[in-house]
Amino acid sequence: ETGVTQTPRHLVMGMTNKKSLKCEQHLGHNAMYWYKQSAKKPLELMFVYSLEERVENNSVPSRFSPECPNSSHLFLHLHTLQPEDSALYLCASSQDMWQETQYFGPGTRLLVL
Amino acid sequence: AQTVTQSQPEMSVQEAETATLSCTYDTSESDYYLFWYKQPPSRQMILVIRQEAYKQQNATENRFSVNFQKAAKSFSLKISDSQLGDAAMYFCAYRTVDFGNEKLTFGTGTRLTIIP
Repeated sequence: ETGVTQTPRHLVMGMTNKKSLKCEQHLGHNAMYWYKQSAKKPLELMFVYSLEERVENNSVPSRFSPECPNSSHLFLHLHTLQPEDSALYLCASSQDMWQETQYFGPGTRLLVL
Repeated sequence: AQTVTQSQPEMSVQEAETATLSCTYDTSESDYYLFWYKQPPSRQMILVIRQEAYKQQNATENRFSVNFQKAAKSFSLKISDSQLGDAAMYFCAYRTVDFGNEKLTFGTGTRLTIIP
């Protein structure tokens, strides 16, 4: 148990659905991250939040919308996704932004039909 | 930009034997951090070991150790006395210490199978 939880663990959605992924960290960290993991590709950074402010957005399509209401919670709102968005979405946290040790959650396996 | 290469998509090792996973990286920086993460079937990424580039001594954590060759830009992971629970995807990662430009860069991973 690394102290980072994600729900749901599995999600199947149609291209017209709206859903949200939730991440919660119980480590007292100040920074949180969303990553996308596709088969046979390196982990891709999507968003970085530090002290609840978005610091980085790596040119992610607007159909992905992050929200960080406080330093313990991070959401990824999904709308009008494409089949190629099917992947494992990982949340991570670290004490401060880009601290060398990031702690990852178990991920949400997303399938877009 | 930094890149991380893991040239072994898959490998297998007999239980109790030693597994060596390779990782190379490309950078022009002299100081940085390197990591190995383990991703078991539960999909949670777990930090296995970390190495600071300015340290010449290879990092060790119980059965896990690294062979850090800075000049060759190589960072291999050695798992001694392999156990069934070591079966997982292993990712090598690089992090710069350049303030304002820090981020983790990951390799594509190596799937390790342990043969009973």
